[in-house]
Amino acid sequence: GAVVSQHPSWVICKSGTSVKIECRSLDFQATTMFWYRQFPKQSLMLMATSNEGSKATYEQGVEKDKFLINHASLTLSTLTVTSAHPEDSSFYICSAEEDPDEQFFGPGTRLTVL
Amino acid sequence: AQSVSQHNHHVILSEAASLELGCNYSYGGTVNLFWYVQYPGQHLQLLLKYFSGDPLVKGIKGFEAEFIKSKFSFNLRKPSVQWSDTAEYFCAVNAGDSRYKLIFGSGTRLLVRP
Repeated sequence: GAVVSQHPSWVICKSGTSVKIECRSLDFQATTMFWYRQFPKQSLMLMATSNEGSKATYEQGVEKDKFLINHASLTLSTLTVTSAHPEDSSFYICSAEEDPDEQFFGPGTRLTVL
Repeated sequence: AQSVSQHNHHVILSEAASLELGCNYSYGGTVNLFWYVQYPGQHLQLLLKYFSGDPLVKGIKGFEAEFIKSKFSFNLRKPSVQWSDTAEYFCAVNAGDSRYKLIFGSGTRLLVRP
């Protein structure tokens, strides 16, 4: 099956700094990628839909100025958490679409903000 | 708003026992339904999906699910579980004008005892 990678897998940062998370589709091109957030013992919540070459579409309640998404190529989308605070600590997961209606998920990135 | 409910948050079974995990969704129109599995330390993987046709869907690793439209349900089943089925299982739906947006249930943690 299609493979999606994320980097880094775990990041610790100080409050007020920015963190960039990369999502790559390794063996296919993805015009659409998705970013999810997963709180401990809870489900995945869609944050935004990232389309190559255009602006991301954010879900209601997600601050687009805080969670910057860039989808610069057909194999790479990045999520930058700006001015991170402890409440941003979470597990961030991306997915990429190879075919319509089938998303392949990355392994996730655990962000801890001190 | 669309929602997905998984009523069993934790399930503990012995090997060879039968499994049924409940999933109900709220949406009156056409839906696509998915079951994903997340093994410990691994990323989400697709178990099976339903788009149309035969409401009994067979997936990988001996899993199957039945779409019952009148009950808005898409329960996951396996006749005989193995220790290696220990994982978290997520039901998800996309529907209507949210064509590519996956709405996830809260997940069910399954522990299979040897």
